[in-house]
Amino acid sequence: GQQLNQSPQSMFIQEGEDVSMNCTSSSIFNTWLWYKQDPGEGPVLLIALYKAGELTSNGRLTAQFGITRKDSFLNISASIPSDVGIYFCAGYHGSSNTGKLIFGQGTTLQVKP
Amino acid sequence: KAGVTQTPRYLIKTRGQQVTLSCSPISGHRSVSWYQQTPGQGLQFLFEYFSETQRNKGNFPGRFSGRQFSNSRSEMNVSTLELGDSALYLCASSRGGAPDTQYFGPGTRLTVL
Repeated sequence: GQQLNQSPQSMFIQEGEDVSMNCTSSSIFNTWLWYKQDPGEGPVLLIALYKAGELTSNGRLTAQFGITRKDSFLNISASIPSDVGIYFCAGYHGSSNTGKLIFGQGTTLQVKP
Repeated sequence: KAGVTQTPRYLIKTRGQQVTLSCSPISGHRSVSWYQQTPGQGLQFLFEYFSETQRNKGNFPGRFSGRQFSNSRSEMNVSTLELGDSALYLCASSRGGAPDTQYFGPGTRLTVL
């Protein structure tokens, strides 16, 4: 099935460092979403982006909807141990309440205290 | 309020068998979407149900089917199981189906031997 190209696949960083990950697609999306998944749990929505060029923050997280509508990035500033997990980007086709989510392969983040 | 619940949490089956997974959405949510998560393919959209009707479908073979009941609970069925069906099956519920309002359950881990 269709997937987004998410990079990097994994990161191992020191506590306090900033993190950046991105997603690219050959298709245009109406909405970009970023999720975090902890072991044994389902993904939890972190940030939703609705317009090209939009920059949105949620605490130490900042995400942007690319101008071309084919890419998005997520930054985490001053990482802490609880940031450990798998981060997914997802693009959404369709109208406001019906459509499909296309996910990236995920970025596994490990933080060394 | 209670989150999305999925039962069972773990399941072991053998090739050729069939399996039924259950998802109880958050109270008041009428949309239930199902996803398959594997290490190789990542998160793949299976289908979405809204008010007992399948509204969207991903690119999976007909062995994968689902239904939704009048109380919005949903079941997913996989017939003639194959080794490659081993995965974490996630469901997500929302009021109307908009992806930024979806809440994921913890998933059912299916192992096919």
